[in-house]
Amino acid sequence: KQEVTQIPAALSVPEGENLVLNCSFTDSAIYNLQWFRQDPGKGLTSLLLIQSSQREQTSGRLNASLDKSSGRSTLYIAASQPGDSATYLCAVHNYGQNFVFGPGTRLSVLP
Amino acid sequence: KAGVTQTPRYLIKTRGQQVTLSCSPISGHRSVSWYQQTPGQGLQFLFEYFSETQRNKGNFPGRFSGRQFSNSRSEMNVSTLELGDSALYLCASSSFPGLVTYEQYFGPGTRLTVT
Repeated sequence: KQEVTQIPAALSVPEGENLVLNCSFTDSAIYNLQWFRQDPGKGLTSLLLIQSSQREQTSGRLNASLDKSSGRSTLYIAASQPGDSATYLCAVHNYGQNFVFGPGTRLSVLP
Repeated sequence: KAGVTQTPRYLIKTRGQQVTLSCSPISGHRSVSWYQQTPGQGLQFLFEYFSETQRNKGNFPGRFSGRQFSNSRSEMNVSTLELGDSALYLCASSSFPGLVTYEQYFGPGTRLTVT
C-alpha cells in the first residue's frame, strides 16, 4: 500500500528566500507524481506533473525533481513571494490505483 | 476551456439526512474522482469513475456512493449523514486513467457541514 509523507509539515520564510519542500513515497513503481497548491478552503491547483521516466519539471520559479529509486520528490521554489503562501501537496499515482496524497506542507512567506 | 465545476459550493445538513453533490468535469475529460478532505485525515480518495464505470473505490462505508452519466458528469451521494461527514468534498477531472500523462484537475469543492 502506497504511503506518502511530506516534510516539513509547516515552513515560514522571509520573502525572497529559495526553499525546498520534500515528498517521500514507499512504493517506487509509480506512473507519475503531481504537485499541487491549495489555498485555505479552496480546491487544488495543479503545479507540476512529473512522469515516471522524467527526472524533473520546471514551471516559472518552480522546479520539481523525482528520484524513483529513493522514493523522493522535491519541489524547489525560487525567490519566494507572499503570494506563494499556501499548502503544498504531492500526490503519487501507481498503475491501476488512485492517487495517494501526502499530508501537505503549509508554507508562509513573510513580507 | 471551462474548469471543473462543483455544485453546490456550500451545504448544511442535519444528522440522518442524505445529500447529493454534483461535479461537471472539463470538457472532453471522461474520468472523475472524488475525495474527502478533513483537517484530521487530510485528502482521502472516495472513488473514481471512467466512462460511467467505477474503476476504484476507497475505504469508505457503503453510505457513500456515486455514479457517472453518459456526459461524464458525476454525482456522489451520502446517506444517513453523521457529524464526521463534515468535510470539503473535492472532485477531480482527468482524461484517460492509466497513462503516465494522467493529470488531475480539481474543482473548488463543496463544503458540507452536518449539524
